[in-house]
Amino acid sequence: DVKVTQSSRYLVKRTGEKVFLECVQDMDHENMFWYRQDPGLGLRLIYFSYDVKMKEKGDIPEGYSVSREKKERFSLILESASTNQTSMYLCASSDTPYQETQYFGPGTRLLVL
Amino acid sequence: GQNIDQPTEMTATEGAIVQINCTYQTSGFNGLFWYQQHAGEAPTFLSYNVLDGLEEKGRFSSFLSRSKGYSYLLLKELQMKDSASYLCAVRGSNYQLIWGAGTKLIIKP
Repeated sequence: DVKVTQSSRYLVKRTGEKVFLECVQDMDHENMFWYRQDPGLGLRLIYFSYDVKMKEKGDIPEGYSVSREKKERFSLILESASTNQTSMYLCASSDTPYQETQYFGPGTRLLVL
Repeated sequence: GQNIDQPTEMTATEGAIVQINCTYQTSGFNGLFWYQQHAGEAPTFLSYNVLDGLEEKGRFSSFLSRSKGYSYLLLKELQMKDSASYLCAVRGSNYQLIWGAGTKLIIKP
């Protein structure tokens, strides 16, 4: 069974704080993704990575950065959290860019006050 | 622009059949996915279509018409545990997924 875990289910932070969201997958997948999910909107891709130390911007990278120092771990960083970054953050992984299935973690619900 | 449309919410009765539609306009097409997401949980993969036609998988079937930019997910013999959101996603020309907002399916006894 593929397992994608995220460091926190719920997080409350203050405006201006630096926030780290961690994602770990145990299936040796090449590709990892960070999305945010907001009511009434589809999942929106923030960043993705096809290999260690490699990152590509998605559709909404502004205000975020990522780190992939090890294959199994992909971190999302909010350099200076703002209230409009209050959202559900979902991490996913897949074996190749063309694989049918992305496997998702349980999500981190972030509230920025 | 790129667009995925699906109904916001649908209601159906336990034991019945429901069809959830998805229409898309994307630059390029490299497959369409359906995911199920229970409230507060991760999306899980249901089906993948890249060629026209119907793919059946137990109680769930998915249909694709590329010429019409249209897909549907058919759920038969509905059970209460099928209450969830159903997400349609299209893999575009750059191989990234474009997601619809999801259809919340409510099953009533």
